[in-house]
Amino acid sequence: AQKVTQAQTEISVVEKEDVTLDCVYETRDTTYYLFWYKQPPSGELVFLIRRNSFDEQNEISGRYSWNFQKSTSSFNFTITASQVVDSAVYFCALRRGGANSKLTFGKGITLSVRP
Amino acid sequence: GAVVSQHPSRVICKSGTSVKIECRSLDFQATTMFWYRQFPKQSLMLMATSNEGSKATYEQGVEKDKFLINHASLTLSTLTVTSAHPEDSSFYICSASMAGGMGETQYFGPGTRLLVL
Repeated sequence: AQKVTQAQTEISVVEKEDVTLDCVYETRDTTYYLFWYKQPPSGELVFLIRRNSFDEQNEISGRYSWNFQKSTSSFNFTITASQVVDSAVYFCALRRGGANSKLTFGKGITLSVRP
Repeated sequence: GAVVSQHPSRVICKSGTSVKIECRSLDFQATTMFWYRQFPKQSLMLMATSNEGSKATYEQGVEKDKFLINHASLTLSTLTVTSAHPEDSSFYICSASMAGGMGETQYFGPGTRLLVL
């Protein structure tokens, strides 16, 4: 069975602070994919990143960076110099390899960035 | 990026009526679409997987006669909530995976807020 744990439920920071959102996953598959999605108050899920199990390189995209470590089954997401527009619910998700396989979501982390 | 639309974005209906929600992939073909339900402050719950040209696969506990899914083309899937009741009020969101490949990203629509009075 697959499982995604986002232990943090709510995080509140002041603008310009750095913040890390944790994600720990469980799977018995050797091929799998990890995702982060952002859900702003409007409700739409915005795709942020996809990582496959064979690529442990960290990735940076502007103020966003991701740290994938198979040894600890973690896929953490860091926002540098947070902004008010970063306020949203962030979901980490996992899917096994293979066509049409389902996403397993974590419970989500509500991030509030105060001015 | 891939764009998925949903219509309507918000619907209010009376108890006992049926409501149809459309999910379209606008700039890509989607062999598979997924339907989720989300309650306030909770994660997404997968309801069913919709494959073009075949019957949908429903998750355990989801009534297939209550939530009818049709995936008639590579760009359109519909969810019909039949005989809606207040407990069906929720946020329904669809996603679509591009045809081909083994690790496709699911792109999500903007969601539909259903309120049953």
